[in-house]
Amino acid sequence: DAEITQSPRHKITETGRQVTLACHQTWNHNNMFWYRQDLGHGLRLIHYSYGVHDTNKGEVSDGYSVSRSNTEDLPLTLESAASSQTSVYFCASSEFGQSGNTIYFGEGSWLTVV
Amino acid sequence: AQTVTQSQPEMSVQEAETVTLSCTYDTSESDYYLFWYKQPPSRQMILVIRQEAYKQQNATENRFSVNFQKAAKSFSLKISDSQLGDAAMYFCAYRKGSEKLVFGKGTKLTVNP
Repeated sequence: DAEITQSPRHKITETGRQVTLACHQTWNHNNMFWYRQDLGHGLRLIHYSYGVHDTNKGEVSDGYSVSRSNTEDLPLTLESAASSQTSVYFCASSEFGQSGNTIYFGEGSWLTVV
Repeated sequence: AQTVTQSQPEMSVQEAETVTLSCTYDTSESDYYLFWYKQPPSRQMILVIRQEAYKQQNATENRFSVNFQKAAKSFSLKISDSQLGDAAMYFCAYRKGSEKLVFGKGTKLTVNP
């Protein structure tokens, strides 16, 4: 079955380190998204991509970057991790015109910055 | 900008009873999609039900149904015959075309045995 997988599922890192969260989907979806979830804020969009070599900033993009070199992967990089970036991160994907434009989510990556 | 509001931070229901979760949204668009996602303690985001704005008929998925009032910009979720496994956070979300999902802040549903 097609799926979307995130790795690592749990990570503890130190302030100032660079961290990359991987996201891989096998649906061949063009649209991919990264959200973070924090108590009291719901899910907020970090970055998104509508296709290979396309990337766009979301509402909370400062301190994060993404690159899209193929259809399947959208890695999220924290350039210099800060304690404010401790959160649960969700990758998601969709394809316009398919499945009622539903966005499908990965299982989440728990990141703790100490 | 589109916004989604869930006015009930927490709700509770007795097992086997019915509960309705509220959601309102703000948009100037006429064609869009609305969703309810369930997030259990595992934090997995699970699609519960979706509604296309151009369809007047309310969507239904087994025990889950919606009351979509386009003019009022209201999209409530009704859960019938509530089960213990329905306990979770429920998020209402809006999407225009292939754009980002805009989420409400969620409603925590407790199911009492």
